[in-house]
Amino acid sequence: AQKVTQAQTEISVVEKEDVTLDCVYETRDTTYYLFWYKQPPSGELVFLIRRNSFDEQNEISGRYSWNFQKSTSSFNFTITASQVVDSAVYFCALIESGGGADGLTFGKGTHLIIQP
Amino acid sequence: SAVISQKPSRDICQRGTSLTIQCQVDSQVTMMFWYRQQPGQSLTLIATANQGSEATYESGFVIDKFPISRPNLTFSTLTVSNMSPEDSSIYLCSVLLDSYEQYFGPGTRLTVT
Repeated sequence: AQKVTQAQTEISVVEKEDVTLDCVYETRDTTYYLFWYKQPPSGELVFLIRRNSFDEQNEISGRYSWNFQKSTSSFNFTITASQVVDSAVYFCALIESGGGADGLTFGKGTHLIIQP
Repeated sequence: SAVISQKPSRDICQRGTSLTIQCQVDSQVTMMFWYRQQPGQSLTLIATANQGSEATYESGFVIDKFPISRPNLTFSTLTVSNMSPEDSSIYLCSVLLDSYEQYFGPGTRLTVT
């Protein structure tokens, strides 16, 4: 069965520091999708990125970047020059392509605190 | 993308009662899901709700406790039955698009007293 591990329960940094959130996954499928979601204190889940298993190119979107490495089964998320508004819980998740009917498997989340 | 709304946004209910949560999507989607997020925890899949078929429940969730309806491609309901304080959670519906992007509704924050 698939599994997603976010070993960092909580990270606290000072504003403008760079921070990396780790995500390690397990799956037996060769085709799968990885996701990152942001959950601010208001509670809604904000979709950040989806990456399929055949696309190992790193992605950058503004201050956000993602590093996907199949060799280490990792999909890490870096925020550059962090801001207070980045404070939230971040979830990494996985879905196997053949298991669309099974929904997403989520990691336990990393609570990111950006101090002013 | 997809825009998803849920009703109610929050509720406080007495134990032993039932609450039905509605989920409305702005486009037709085949696959919808219901998740539960207990306080301070991650999300756990309750069931998959595809139009035209019975909902498929994950281990630990049963139809008698969480009956689901999916009458068409834009709407679903989840009922939390015979509630107890342990059911206090955020309940979220989500949709899976053909592109494998999965979007979530704003959630229903349920407190059972």
